[in-house]
Order: sequence, then structure tokens, then C-alpha cells
Amino acid sequence: QSVLTQPPSASGAPGQRVTISCSGSSSDIRNNYIYWYQQLPGTAPKLLIYNNNQRPSGVPDRFSGSKSGTSASLAIIGLRSEDEADYYCAAWADSLNGRVFGGGTKLTVL
Amino acid sequence: EVQLVGSGGGLIQPGGSLRLSCAASGFTVSSTAMSWVRQAAGKGLEWVAVIYNGDETSYADSVRGRFTVSRDNSRNTLFLQMNSLRAEDTAVYYCARDWGEDWGQGTLVTVSS
Repeated sequence: QSVLTQPPSASGAPGQRVTISCSGSSSDIRNNYIYWYQQLPGTAPKLLIYNNNQRPSGVPDRFSGSKSGTSASLAIIGLRSEDEADYYCAAWADSLNGRVFGGGTKLTVL
Repeated sequence: EVQLVGSGGGLIQPGGSLRLSCAASGFTVSSTAMSWVRQAAGKGLEWVAVIYNGDETSYADSVRGRFTVSRDNSRNTLFLQMNSLRAEDTAVYYCARDWGEDWGQGTLVTVSS
């Protein structure tokens, strides 16, 4: 069981907006930065969002991150077929003195 | 161009040891935190360990006391020494720069008799 809780699946039609949630606690999400990753099948993860809402260069602005209290969200607008992937959140967990990942959300583009 | 190339994986018996390597180019491993993340087949990502540029380390509870992360600055290479391996350590192991700005391609470790 992951410290950070994500829905196992999400879906949306091309062009739509979809959000993926990541729920934690005061010892992880509330007090620390959130990171989001995209993992396409058979490939290494890719950093999508760092420091809650910052995009690395090269990541389209269709991807955005937000945080409120002990929860965070990844939003994708203008959904495309190539967005179909697994998405993970991550944060530092003060209670564990280590980094933790969410269980992952499989995004399906209908 | 930044590149991370992992190696050292393979089939090992339970209780055995293995050392993974991650050779970096395009940046110096001593200048940033470096981490290891693993993924069992069909499962999610699991953080394993991190080494900071001040040599401080941190480990997941599941590997603490058995795994050791280190680096050789002269070779610009990150290592993960894995001892007392268990079946549940079977996974693809990725090295990454800090929180994942860059990733290696992953190396498969299979612990089985």
C-alpha cells in the first residue's frame, strides 16, 4: 500500500481535460514538493512536473500540476492518444525519512 | 547531452549479492543528488535510495541495511550494492538524476533459485 494514494485508472476522450489526484498527509504532500511522472509502456519514467507546478523544458503546457493541503493533482488538457500512459506522483515523506511514489494511475484515451 | 547507462543486473540466487552501476555523461554525479528507483513486473514505481552531493544517503525501509548507494566521482558513476537479496527484490532498477530530470534505461535484477 503506497503512502500516496492515486486512482488506479482514469480516462478521457481526445481533446478533453482529465485530472489525476494524489492524496497524502501532512508529513508528505502538505510539507514538501510534489513531482509527477509519465511512463509509457516499456520505457523509463519521464519527469512531467517538479516543485508542485513547474514543467521541465520540453514538457507541453497541456500538463499542469497543483497542490492544496494534503492533496495534489495533475491536469492534462487537450488530451491526445499519445498521452495514454501510467502517471505517478512522488514526494518526500518526513515520517519515513525517504521518498515515496503513489501507486500510479493508468490513463486511457478513449 | 545527458546520458545515464545502467548495468550489472542479472539472475542471482536468494541471499546473494549484486552491484549495479550507472555511468553518467553530460553532467557530474558529484554535483547533484542521484537516486535508484525500481519497478517489479506489472507494478508501480518504488523509490529505493538516494545519495546527496554531500554524501548523505537515505533508503527505503524495504532495503535499509541490505543495500548501499555510493558513487565514484573519478568514474562519474553511481552504484547500488545489493546484499542479502530476496525474491521480492526482483525488478527493473532505474538510476535517475535527483527527482528524475534524467533516467537510465533500467537494468533487470531477478532473484530466484
